[in-house]
Amino acid sequence: SAVISQKPSRDICQRGTSLTIQCQVDSQVTMMFWYRQQPGQSLTLIATANQGSEATYESGFVIDKFPISRPNLTFSTLTVSNMSPEDSSIYLCSVEARDSGYTFGSGTRLTVV
Amino acid sequence: AQRVTQPEKLLSVFKGAPVELKCNYSYSGSPELFWYVQYSRQRLQLLLRHISRESIKGFTADLNKGETSFHLKKPFAQEEDSAMYYCALLREYGNKLVFGAGTILRVKS
Repeated sequence: SAVISQKPSRDICQRGTSLTIQCQVDSQVTMMFWYRQQPGQSLTLIATANQGSEATYESGFVIDKFPISRPNLTFSTLTVSNMSPEDSSIYLCSVEARDSGYTFGSGTRLTVV
Repeated sequence: AQRVTQPEKLLSVFKGAPVELKCNYSYSGSPELFWYVQYSRQRLQLLLRHISRESIKGFTADLNKGETSFHLKKPFAQEEDSAMYYCALLREYGNKLVFGAGTILRVKS
Protein backbone atom coordinates (compact mmCIF):
# COMPACT_ATOMS: atom_id res chain seq x y z
CA SER A 1 0.00 0.00 0.00
CA ALA A 2 1.00 3.64 -0.42
CA VAL A 3 3.26 5.19 2.20
CA ILE A 4 2.52 8.77 3.23
CA SER A 5 4.98 11.19 4.80
CA GLN A 6 3.34 14.15 6.46
CA LYS A 7 5.06 17.10 8.04
CA PRO A 8 5.33 18.81 10.36
CA SER A 9 4.20 16.26 12.89
CA ARG A 10 3.24 19.00 15.30
CA ASP A 11 3.43 22.74 15.69
CA ILE A 12 2.43 25.49 18.06
CA CYS A 13 1.42 28.66 16.26
CA GLN A 14 0.38 32.16 17.15
CA ARG A 15 -3.14 33.21 16.30
CA GLY A 16 -3.40 35.16 13.09
CA THR A 17 -0.55 33.30 11.41
CA SER A 18 -0.68 30.52 8.81
CA LEU A 19 0.75 27.02 8.71
CA THR A 20 1.37 24.88 5.64
CA ILE A 21 1.24 21.11 6.03
CA GLN A 22 2.92 18.88 3.48
CA CYS A 23 1.91 15.43 2.34
CA GLN A 24 4.21 13.27 0.22
CA VAL A 25 3.20 9.88 -1.18
CA ASP A 26 5.60 7.24 -2.43
CA SER A 27 3.48 6.46 -5.48
CA GLN A 28 1.28 8.37 -7.89
CA VAL A 29 -2.30 8.76 -6.77
CA THR A 30 -5.23 10.46 -8.40
CA MET A 31 -6.97 11.84 -5.34
CA MET A 32 -5.58 13.05 -2.06
CA PHE A 33 -7.82 13.91 0.87
CA TRP A 34 -7.39 16.27 3.80
CA TYR A 35 -9.15 15.59 7.10
CA ARG A 36 -9.45 17.42 10.39
CA GLN A 37 -9.82 15.73 13.74
CA GLN A 38 -10.78 18.15 16.46
CA PRO A 39 -10.08 17.22 20.08
CA GLY A 40 -12.26 14.33 21.18
CA GLN A 41 -14.04 14.15 17.85
CA SER A 42 -14.01 12.02 14.74
CA LEU A 43 -12.42 12.74 11.38
CA THR A 44 -14.09 15.29 9.14
CA LEU A 45 -13.21 15.65 5.49
CA ILE A 46 -12.00 19.13 4.60
CA ALA A 47 -11.40 18.76 0.88
CA THR A 48 -10.29 16.54 -1.95
CA ALA A 49 -7.17 17.56 -3.85
CA ASN A 50 -6.98 16.56 -7.51
CA GLN A 51 -3.92 17.14 -9.63
CA GLY A 52 -4.52 19.71 -12.34
CA SER A 53 -7.73 21.14 -10.92
CA GLU A 54 -8.95 23.09 -7.94
CA ALA A 55 -9.62 21.28 -4.74
CA THR A 56 -13.18 20.33 -3.90
CA TYR A 57 -14.24 21.55 -0.47
CA GLU A 58 -16.80 20.04 1.84
CA SER A 59 -19.61 22.00 3.38
CA GLY A 60 -18.29 24.30 6.07
CA PHE A 61 -14.79 24.59 4.63
CA VAL A 62 -13.63 27.32 2.26
CA ILE A 63 -10.60 27.87 0.08
CA ASP A 64 -9.66 31.17 1.71
CA LYS A 65 -9.26 29.47 5.06
CA PHE A 66 -7.78 26.17 3.84
CA PRO A 67 -6.00 26.73 0.53
CA ILE A 68 -4.71 23.51 -1.01
CA SER A 69 -2.08 22.87 -3.62
CA ARG A 70 -1.62 19.72 -5.70
CA PRO A 71 1.29 20.33 -8.05
CA ASN A 72 1.79 16.67 -9.01
CA LEU A 73 0.50 13.15 -8.40
CA THR A 74 2.63 12.53 -5.30
CA PHE A 75 2.43 15.76 -3.33
CA SER A 76 -0.09 18.11 -1.76
CA THR A 77 -0.14 20.90 0.79
CA LEU A 78 -2.85 22.23 3.06
CA THR A 79 -2.54 25.69 4.54
CA VAL A 80 -4.46 26.70 7.64
CA SER A 81 -4.77 30.47 7.30
CA ASN A 82 -5.32 33.24 9.82
CA MET A 83 -5.41 30.72 12.61
CA SER A 84 -7.47 30.95 15.76
CA PRO A 85 -7.54 28.63 18.78
CA GLU A 86 -10.56 26.86 17.23
CA ASP A 87 -8.25 25.58 14.49
CA SER A 88 -6.33 23.52 17.04
CA SER A 89 -6.75 20.00 15.68
CA ILE A 90 -4.99 17.09 14.10
CA TYR A 91 -4.86 17.43 10.33
CA LEU A 92 -4.49 14.26 8.28
CA CYS A 93 -3.68 13.51 4.70
CA SER A 94 -5.12 10.40 3.05
CA VAL A 95 -4.94 8.66 -0.30
CA GLU A 96 -6.84 5.82 -1.88
CA ALA A 97 -4.68 2.72 -2.23
CA ARG A 98 -5.97 0.27 -4.80
CA ASP A 99 -5.96 -2.92 -2.78
CA SER A 100 -5.89 -1.67 0.77
CA GLY A 101 -8.57 0.94 1.13
CA TYR A 102 -7.52 4.37 2.20
CA THR A 103 -4.14 5.08 3.73
CA PHE A 104 -3.50 7.89 6.19
CA GLY A 105 -0.54 9.99 7.12
CA SER A 106 0.63 10.22 10.70
CA GLY A 107 -1.08 13.57 11.12
CA THR A 108 -0.09 17.10 12.09
CA ARG A 109 -1.04 18.14 15.60
CA LEU A 110 -1.65 21.87 15.52
CA THR A 111 -2.02 24.01 18.60
CA VAL A 112 -2.94 27.67 18.18
CA VAL A 113 -2.18 29.98 21.08
CA ALA B 1 -27.61 11.78 4.32
CA GLN B 2 -24.93 9.17 4.67
CA ARG B 3 -24.08 8.72 8.30
CA VAL B 4 -22.18 6.33 10.54
CA THR B 5 -23.12 5.85 14.17
CA GLN B 6 -20.93 4.26 16.80
CA PRO B 7 -23.02 4.43 19.95
CA GLU B 8 -20.30 3.61 22.45
CA LYS B 9 -17.49 6.04 23.18
CA LEU B 10 -15.74 3.52 25.40
CA LEU B 11 -15.92 -0.23 25.67
CA SER B 12 -14.03 -1.91 28.46
CA VAL B 13 -13.65 -5.70 28.59
CA PHE B 14 -11.45 -8.23 30.31
CA LYS B 15 -8.79 -10.17 28.46
CA GLY B 16 -10.28 -13.30 26.95
CA ALA B 17 -13.82 -11.90 26.86
CA PRO B 18 -15.72 -11.47 23.61
CA VAL B 19 -15.77 -8.05 22.00
CA GLU B 20 -18.42 -6.40 19.86
CA LEU B 21 -17.97 -2.84 18.65
CA LYS B 22 -21.21 -1.53 17.23
CA CYS B 23 -21.58 0.37 13.99
CA ASN B 24 -24.79 1.41 12.29
CA TYR B 25 -25.05 3.31 9.05
CA SER B 26 -27.58 5.18 6.99
CA TYR B 27 -27.16 4.83 3.24
CA SER B 28 -29.59 4.45 0.39
CA GLY B 29 -27.50 2.31 -1.96
CA SER B 30 -25.09 -0.59 -1.58
CA PRO B 31 -22.64 0.50 1.09
CA GLU B 32 -18.94 -0.09 1.24
CA LEU B 33 -17.87 -0.19 4.87
CA PHE B 34 -14.56 -0.23 6.68
CA TRP B 35 -13.14 -0.57 10.13
CA TYR B 36 -10.06 1.48 10.94
CA VAL B 37 -7.94 1.19 14.05
CA GLN B 38 -5.57 3.62 15.72
CA TYR B 39 -3.20 2.22 18.32
CA SER B 40 -1.54 4.53 20.79
CA ARG B 41 0.95 6.84 19.06
CA GLN B 42 0.41 5.20 15.68
CA ARG B 43 -1.34 6.35 12.56
CA LEU B 44 -4.82 5.35 11.55
CA GLN B 45 -4.74 2.06 9.66
CA LEU B 46 -7.22 -0.13 7.89
CA LEU B 47 -8.35 -3.13 9.91
CA LEU B 48 -10.80 -4.66 7.49
CA ARG B 49 -13.30 -3.89 4.76
CA HIS B 50 -16.54 -5.72 4.23
CA ILE B 51 -15.96 -6.54 0.57
CA SER B 52 -12.88 -8.62 1.37
CA ARG B 53 -14.74 -10.70 3.97
CA GLU B 54 -11.55 -11.60 5.78
CA SER B 55 -10.52 -11.90 9.39
CA ILE B 56 -7.71 -9.65 10.56
CA LYS B 57 -6.10 -10.13 13.99
CA GLY B 58 -9.06 -12.32 14.89
CA PHE B 59 -11.59 -9.58 14.12
CA THR B 60 -14.53 -10.08 11.78
CA ALA B 61 -17.37 -7.84 10.68
CA ASP B 62 -20.47 -8.83 8.80
CA LEU B 63 -22.60 -6.44 6.86
CA ASN B 64 -26.26 -6.74 7.86
CA LYS B 65 -28.30 -4.74 5.40
CA GLY B 66 -31.57 -5.44 7.17
CA GLU B 67 -30.29 -3.90 10.38
CA THR B 68 -27.94 -1.47 8.56
CA SER B 69 -25.12 -2.61 10.80
CA PHE B 70 -21.47 -3.55 10.46
CA HIS B 71 -20.48 -4.59 13.95
CA LEU B 72 -16.87 -5.58 14.66
CA LYS B 73 -16.41 -8.76 16.65
CA LYS B 74 -13.67 -10.79 18.21
CA PRO B 75 -14.29 -13.89 20.30
CA PHE B 76 -11.39 -13.44 22.73
CA ALA B 77 -10.01 -9.98 23.42
CA GLN B 78 -6.29 -9.45 23.92
CA GLU B 79 -4.56 -6.57 25.67
CA GLU B 80 -2.92 -5.49 22.44
CA ASP B 81 -6.37 -4.89 20.96
CA SER B 82 -6.69 -1.77 23.11
CA ALA B 83 -7.06 1.10 20.65
CA MET B 84 -9.48 3.54 19.06
CA TYR B 85 -11.72 1.93 16.44
CA TYR B 86 -13.51 3.85 13.72
CA CYS B 87 -16.24 2.57 11.45
CA ALA B 88 -16.36 4.30 8.06
CA LEU B 89 -18.64 4.37 5.05
CA LEU B 90 -17.53 5.12 1.52
CA ARG B 91 -19.65 7.93 0.14
CA GLU B 92 -21.44 7.28 -3.09
CA TYR B 93 -19.89 10.18 -5.01
CA GLY B 94 -16.28 11.17 -4.97
CA ASN B 95 -14.83 8.16 -3.17
CA LYS B 96 -14.89 9.87 0.20
CA LEU B 97 -15.03 8.28 3.62
CA VAL B 98 -17.53 9.23 6.29
CA PHE B 99 -16.35 8.28 9.76
CA GLY B 100 -18.21 7.40 12.90
CA ALA B 101 -17.28 9.04 16.17
CA GLY B 102 -15.05 6.16 17.18
CA THR B 103 -15.02 3.72 20.09
CA ILE B 104 -12.15 3.32 22.51
CA LEU B 105 -11.60 -0.33 23.33
CA ARG B 106 -9.82 -1.05 26.60
CA VAL B 107 -8.86 -4.62 27.32
CA LYS B 108 -8.04 -5.16 30.96
CA SER B 109 -5.86 -7.93 32.30
